[in-house]
Formats: sequence, structure tokens, C-alpha cells
Amino acid sequence: AQKVTQAQTEISVVEKEDVTLDCVYETRDTTYYLFWYKQPPSGELVFLIRRNSFDEQNEISGRYSWNFQKSTSSFNFTITASQVVDSAVYFCALRSYNTDKLIFGTGTRLQVFP
Amino acid sequence: GAGVSQSPSNKVTEKGKDVELRCDPISGHTALYWYRQSLGQGLEFLIYFQGNSAPDKSGLPSDRFSAERTGGSVSTLTIQRTQQEDSAVYLCASSALELGVYEQYFGPGTRLTVT
Repeated sequence: AQKVTQAQTEISVVEKEDVTLDCVYETRDTTYYLFWYKQPPSGELVFLIRRNSFDEQNEISGRYSWNFQKSTSSFNFTITASQVVDSAVYFCALRSYNTDKLIFGTGTRLQVFP
Repeated sequence: GAGVSQSPSNKVTEKGKDVELRCDPISGHTALYWYRQSLGQGLEFLIYFQGNSAPDKSGLPSDRFSAERTGGSVSTLTIQRTQQEDSAVYLCASSALELGVYEQYFGPGTRLTVT
């Protein structure tokens, strides 16, 4: 069975703090894809990143970075120097190679206070 | 270019009535997905269309739910005899798998309230 676990339901930080959102996944597939989406208060899910299972290279995009570790089945997301505009619900998702539906975690609500 | 659009943005209906929700995918995207986001249930997959292939209906919660996609573009999700537990935000997404676009791009959703 496939499953995505985001154990942190809600995180609150003060602006400029670094914050890491955890994502742990379960799959028996050797080929799969992992995603992060952001859902701001407006409600629309915004795609952030896709990672293939055969590419464990970490990625940095501005203040965002992702740490993919197959050994621990984790795909964690770090925001450096957080800003109020980062306040949103963040979802981690998993897709197997032989299906196109996304399995979502329950999301982590991040609140960044000024 | 234009993103995924959905209509209506909000729908309030009485229990027992039928509702139709519409999704316009990104132009050129052949894959279209419906998800439901409800309190306590997170985001759950409902149905998926890819080109002319038979849709993957494995996520539909009951036979009151159905969806069609006409002309390989616009899709309509129909809920018959709505129940209060159908209240949720219904999200549509599209992707272009044949172009290597594996990420799904989501619309703003339709908030359905069944009274």
C-alpha cells in the first residue's frame, strides 16, 4: 500500500526563522515520484517541486530546499528565513510509476508571524 | 497561459438534489483528475481521465458520483442525490504526461455545501 505521512499538523514560527516540514512515504515500488504543493489561504494548490525516485540529489530554489533520502523514505522541505507570505498548508504527495493519481499526506499548516 | 478553471466556485444545494461541477483543463493537457478535499479526510483522489483511455474510477466513493470528459477537454463531475457528507471542496487538475509533465496543475476548486 502507498501512504504519505506528514506528522506535523501545524507549525508556528516567527519571520526569518528556518523551518523544516517533514514527509515520510511508504511504497513498494522502485520507481515513483514525490511532490510538494502549497495551498495558501486563497485555496488553490500550487505545485512546488517534483522528485523522481532515481534522483536523490537535493534541490535548492531560492529560500526553498528539499532533502530526499530513500534510505529513510523521507522527502523533507526546508524554508530558510521564512516570511509571512509562506503561511499556507503544505502537502507532500506520492505517485507510483504505473498510476497517475496522487496520494497526499494530510498537510502541514505553517503560520509565519511577523 | 490560462490555468485550470472550475465552475461554479461555490455551490449550495439541498440534500437529495443533483449537482454538476465543471472543469476546464489547461489547453493541450490530455490528463484530467478530480480530487476531493474535506475536513478530516484530506485530499482524496476521485477519478482520472487520460486521452481516449477508459477512466480510472477507483476513487469514486459511491455510484452517486460520476464524471465524463467530452471531446478530450472539459469534464463534468456529477453527484446525484447529494448527501451532507458530500460537502467538500472539489478540485480538478490536469497534466500533460505524454510531454513529460508529470506534475498536476490544480484549479481553484468548487466548494460544495449540502444543506
